[in-house]
Amino acid sequence: NAGVTQTPKFRVLKTGQSMTLLCAQDMNHEYMYWYRQDPGMGLRLIHYSVGEGTTAKGEVPDGYNVSRLKKQNFLLGLESAAPSQTSVYFCASSRVQGFDQPQHFGDGTRLSIL
Amino acid sequence: QQQVKQSPQSLIVQKGGISIINCAYENTAFDYFPWYQQFPGKGPALLIAIRPDVSEKKEGRFTISFNKSAKQFSLHIMDSQPGDSATYFCAGSNTDKLIFGTGTRLQVFP
Repeated sequence: NAGVTQTPKFRVLKTGQSMTLLCAQDMNHEYMYWYRQDPGMGLRLIHYSVGEGTTAKGEVPDGYNVSRLKKQNFLLGLESAAPSQTSVYFCASSRVQGFDQPQHFGDGTRLSIL
Repeated sequence: QQQVKQSPQSLIVQKGGISIINCAYENTAFDYFPWYQQFPGKGPALLIAIRPDVSEKKEGRFTISFNKSAKQFSLHIMDSQPGDSATYFCAGSNTDKLIFGTGTRLQVFP
């Protein structure tokens, strides 16, 4: 039982390049989230999904897009990467609706934009 | 209105000692206060959580103390062990949002 799996684990991009981060969960969770973690700033919510085919904006959505075509997968896209998007990105999922419920996190994708 | 302030930023404790991390929140609509533990290179993992209908919750060596009137809560780690060395995040939430504190790096030395 893998839980929440994120790919890739590391990536270096040049400014203006695009890429997609993949999150997969095998717990049949309905709700999925994308966060970014920056030094001294904790985790900030980028986008989230309350079910297959639905997405919503979080606290810091600018510059990112997401898709939830399958229940088990949640994709985070950067259309034109900027150095300000250098961060560690975490995906999470939860079984029960609501931010006041336990979330299960993946081990992160470390992304550097040069 | 949305912040969760966490202190200290870093903490060094001797093995066997008590580690204390404090958080303060502003949003009175928050009704769930989790603590997450994160080891280097790993994602955060839920450690313990409390709802404001109780003032304390204990799970093993980990205890949350909650003061609703002061809008403060804290994590106490009793008999701290080197294996507890990690970054700890507090958070405040309700059904609509989850706001994390900025984290405390705990180092426990033998």
